[in-house]
Amino acid sequence: EPEVTQTPSHQVTQMGQEVILRCVPISNHLYFYWYRQILGQKVEFLVSFYNNEISEKSEIFDDQFSVERPDGSNFTLKIRSTKLEDSAMYFCASSATSGMWYFGPGTRLTVT
Amino acid sequence: AQRVTQPEKLLSVFKGAPVELKCNYSYSGSPELFWYVQYSRQRLQLLLRHISRESIKGFTADLNKGETSFHLKKPFAQEEDSAMYYCALRPIQGAQKLVFGQGTRLTINP
Repeated sequence: EPEVTQTPSHQVTQMGQEVILRCVPISNHLYFYWYRQILGQKVEFLVSFYNNEISEKSEIFDDQFSVERPDGSNFTLKIRSTKLEDSAMYFCASSATSGMWYFGPGTRLTVT
Repeated sequence: AQRVTQPEKLLSVFKGAPVELKCNYSYSGSPELFWYVQYSRQRLQLLLRHISRESIKGFTADLNKGETSFHLKKPFAQEEDSAMYYCALRPIQGAQKLVFGQGTRLTINP
């Protein structure tokens, strides 16, 4: 069964640095998402992406964040100038139609 | 504002006992409700959604609009049911996001 993959599984970065989290959605899916989960807190929606543009974003997804689908397979989340509070598990998800989400295993981001 | 509340962070039951994981939601419209499960070291996966009305791995959940609840139930718990369970809400048809509850860690004791 096809799965969403994410790399790296764990990323450690220093405060102020830029990070790029990578995701490979399921190949025939059209909708792509990023969620995050700060340790001990709930999973939170960040952004959805469809037809090469952001279709919805949360308040968390400010100018520090950006998403891109640079080629036919990857979907990336870029965090500029990371802060300590960006430390979290970041989940990518994809869906063929709106409403059936398939999640990746997550990237644990640690900002020191 | 949309909100999903799972009042129990931890729930522990014995194998063979019934289990109920509570989920209440706050939303003025007609949401779509889901249960996701995350087994140890695995990804979030869909367990069931209210519109499909199915029973998966012996679990069922009924949407009660009057009580704004979507509790997850299983009559006889098995050890392999031990996992983290998340209730989630999709606010409206066509909405792109899921709103998650805090999650309940279910432990089935032998």
